[in-house]
Amino acid sequence: GENVEQHPSTLSVQEGDSAVIKCTYSDSASNYFPWYKQELGKRPQLIIDIRSNVGEKKDQRIAVTLNKTAKHFSLHITETQPEDSAVYFCAANTGTASKLTFGTGTRLQVTL
Amino acid sequence: DAGVIQSPRHEVTEMGQEVTLRCKPISGHNSLFWYRQTMMRGLELLIYFNNNVPIDDSGMPEDRFSAKMPNASFSTLKIQPSEPRDSAVYFCASSPFGTGTYEQYFGPGTRLTVT
Repeated sequence: GENVEQHPSTLSVQEGDSAVIKCTYSDSASNYFPWYKQELGKRPQLIIDIRSNVGEKKDQRIAVTLNKTAKHFSLHITETQPEDSAVYFCAANTGTASKLTFGTGTRLQVTL
Repeated sequence: DAGVIQSPRHEVTEMGQEVTLRCKPISGHNSLFWYRQTMMRGLELLIYFNNNVPIDDSGMPEDRFSAKMPNASFSTLKIQPSEPRDSAVYFCASSPFGTGTYEQYFGPGTRLTVT
C-alpha cells in the first residue's frame, strides 16, 4: 500500500520567514496530493492540493510543488504569520482511489 | 452547507460499554471516511464507503469496531466493548468522489474518553 513520509516533524520560523515541509510517497499510481492544516483542537482543513499532471500550484502565500519522478512533494509558505502556526499534514491517494494516506504531520510554530 | 456533522462531540464512557459515533456527510457526497487520531499513531483511516458500500476496512483495529452506512446521509461507528486504548478523536470525512475530485472534508470530530 501507499506509504507517505513527512519531514520535519517540528519547524520553528520567525514571522515573515518562509517555511518548507517535504513529503515522499511510494505508490507511483498516486495522482492526488492534498495538504491539510489542523489547529489545536480543530478538524483538519484542506488548504491546497495538486494533481499529478501539474508541477506547481500557488494560492496567495502558499504553494505546493510535485516531482513525480522522485515521488516527492513540498508545501511552501511565504511571509509566515502567527496564524500559520498549526500542524500540517500531507497526504497521497492510493492509486486512483479516493482513499488517502496521511503523513505524520509537521508542527509549525511562527514566532514573533 | 452545514458541512460534515458528527455527534456526539464529546463522549466519556466506562470500559466495557458500547459506544456509537454518528456522522452525516455533506449532501451529494458519495464517499465517507472514518479516521482515528491519537498522538502516538497520528491520523489513521479506519474504514471508508463509496455509495454506502464499505470498500476498505483494513484499518479497523479489531472486531470490537464496526461501521455501517444504511443510507447516503448517515453512518455510524460502533465500539463494543470499549477499552481505554480506544480513547482518541474520531473524525468523519466525506468526498464527492466520482465527480473527478478527491477532496475530503472533515467533520468536527468526536473526542472519546474511555475510563
